[in-house]
Amino acid sequence: GNSVTQMEGPVTLSEEAFLTINCTYTATGYPSLFWYVQYPGEGLQLLLKATKADDKGSNKGFEATYRKETTSFHLEKGSVQVSDSAVYFCALNTNAGGTSYGKLTFGQGTILTVHP
Amino acid sequence: DAGVTQSPTHLIKTRGQQVTLRCSPKSGHDTVSWYQQALGQGPQFIFQYYEEEERQRGNFPDRFSGHQFPNYSSELNVNALLLGDSALYLCASSSIPSGTGYNSPLHFGNGTRLTVT
Repeated sequence: GNSVTQMEGPVTLSEEAFLTINCTYTATGYPSLFWYVQYPGEGLQLLLKATKADDKGSNKGFEATYRKETTSFHLEKGSVQVSDSAVYFCALNTNAGGTSYGKLTFGQGTILTVHP
Repeated sequence: DAGVTQSPTHLIKTRGQQVTLRCSPKSGHDTVSWYQQALGQGPQFIFQYYEEEERQRGNFPDRFSGHQFPNYSSELNVNALLLGDSALYLCASSSIPSGTGYNSPLHFGNGTRLTVT
């Protein structure tokens, strides 16, 4: 079956530090990969996505590259801000198109806290 | 433009009771998916509704059921509640435009926090 493993957290950084959150996956077929962010008291928001090998998703200074050879999709940001404090979820979907799009497999989440 | 709205925001029930959670999708969306997020865990897929039918289902027992209405809104019902059903229940909507094969990203609501005592 499909599974997503994220680095164990929480992660605590100072403002302007470099961020890496590791994500590896196991999937049948060719998955699409996603990072979602959840701010306190809110639902999940799509941060970025990549749909095929070697694609790089990027948004708001965050980046992640789809690495098929290592089955990884690590999230990075060069300089974090206090406002980036949230829970980050790596997720995958193994069916392209149709109603399957709504069925995501999520990792356990990584809590990021950024101090001024 | 309203996003995905869920009600109620919080709910406390007793073991053995039944509960109904509600979701209105984002304007223009016709597909609704439900997820259960236990404390400290990632969301787990319960099921998805499209054209008023359940299209996909995750590994959840039959105590979990749902419905989609002609206006695309949806309900999640849980019968015979267990302590382990305590969680944040998330609704997500999307649209499936015909012909293109491309689906819009999932938009999540803020969830309903269910506590079973």
